[in-house]
Amino acid sequence: NAGVTQTPKFQVLKTGQSMTLQCAQDMNHNSMYWYRQDPGMGLRLIYYSASEGTTDKGEVPNGYNVSRLNKREFSLRLESAAPSQTSVYFCASSEAGQEYGYTFGSGTRLTVV
Amino acid sequence: TQLLEQSPQFLSIQEGENLTVYCNSSSVFSSLQWYRQEPGEGPVLLVTVVTGGEVKKLKRLTFQFGDARKDSSLHITAAQPGDTGLYLCAGAEGYSTLTFGKGTMLLVSP
Repeated sequence: NAGVTQTPKFQVLKTGQSMTLQCAQDMNHNSMYWYRQDPGMGLRLIYYSASEGTTDKGEVPNGYNVSRLNKREFSLRLESAAPSQTSVYFCASSEAGQEYGYTFGSGTRLTVV
Repeated sequence: TQLLEQSPQFLSIQEGENLTVYCNSSSVFSSLQWYRQEPGEGPVLLVTVVTGGEVKKLKRLTFQFGDARKDSSLHITAAQPGDTGLYLCAGAEGYSTLTFGKGTMLLVSP
């Protein structure tokens, strides 16, 4: 099915380890986003890319880096994982213009011990 | 930072009951969206409302955008267990990114 694909679905890291979360969309969307979802906190924007070649910080960017590899792919990297980064991470994409809404992936559940 | 307040935070009802959830802000939004999220999945877009006072229906779900474009409601008629999930509202202001509310968790029991 067309949509947003995230890998991996689950990951356990030790404090200080690094990893990259992968995201790819096949809908030819210009904009892509990374969110984290925590109980009681809702969805918080980490980074976004309005178009290929651009990235911008969201509400909670500290401890993360992103790469918009091409129009399809947008990766999120944790350089030195901390327990506070334990969360569910969602990637999303959209057409230009917010009225079209976002298409979300199914998420990556990350635990940092 | 624009804030969206959703109420109630949690709602547990019996199959067949009606319910309304609310999404309120002090900010004006150019459009407002509602999403439903099931356990282990990402949010899925249900509807976008753009015009103040606009009402949209999706089967048993009725969405309304406030006249001043600061608030919205979602009404479900004759709720079914399949309606169980987290309902999120999200507001858009121009070309900025969406602002999400924290959600209303709905549990419909048979």
